[in-house]
Amino acid sequence: KNQVEQSPQSLIILEGKNCTLQCNYTVSPFSNLRWYKQDTGRGPVSLTIMTFSENTKSNGRYTATLDADTKQSSLHITASQLSDSASYICVVRGSTLGRLYFGRGTQLTVWP
Amino acid sequence: EAQVTQNPRYLITVTGKKLTVTCSQNMNHEYMSWYRQDPGLGLRQIYYSMNVEVTDKGDVPEGYKVSRKEKRNFPLILESPSPNQTSLYFCASSFLLAGGPFEQFFGPGTRLTVL
Repeated sequence: KNQVEQSPQSLIILEGKNCTLQCNYTVSPFSNLRWYKQDTGRGPVSLTIMTFSENTKSNGRYTATLDADTKQSSLHITASQLSDSASYICVVRGSTLGRLYFGRGTQLTVWP
Repeated sequence: EAQVTQNPRYLITVTGKKLTVTCSQNMNHEYMSWYRQDPGLGLRQIYYSMNVEVTDKGDVPEGYKVSRKEKRNFPLILESPSPNQTSLYFCASSFLLAGGPFEQFFGPGTRLTVL
């Protein structure tokens, strides 16, 4: 069964600290994986996309990694800011055109 | 301004009363999709459309209908709403790349309550 699992479910860190969020998937065959950020009450916004051939991609303070062999991805946030408080969602696209598989998200809270 | 719009933003209705939530995008995107988001369950795909007159089921299509008669519009229809359809609904659109959706742009959401 195609699934996407994220951990931890929630995370609290202090402002300025780094953190890493995990995404494991069983979607096969794999096409790409995207990380979204969702602020409370708003629609998700794309942070980065990883394709099969990519291992690492950065977008400012966000760095995503992908290990297609172990079907794992991580999102590393550096020097966290209060505005990073949000839910981070991992979304995997498989072979079925149009079908997307969503993780339940990691709720990140950054305290001052 | 490039955007996805949804209407209404908030809706309270009663069981069995047919309703439609509209979704429109001005980016000429081929792909459009509807999601519902419930606490603890995350976003789940209801229906998606790869282009005009092409729609397909996602994870949770039961109790919902869609149509794609025009490229810019993708309404979500609840023929006979029930309380378990109380949820936050998002519409999204995207260009297609290599046969599938690329970066999705999400609407602001519609909060639906069915009494």
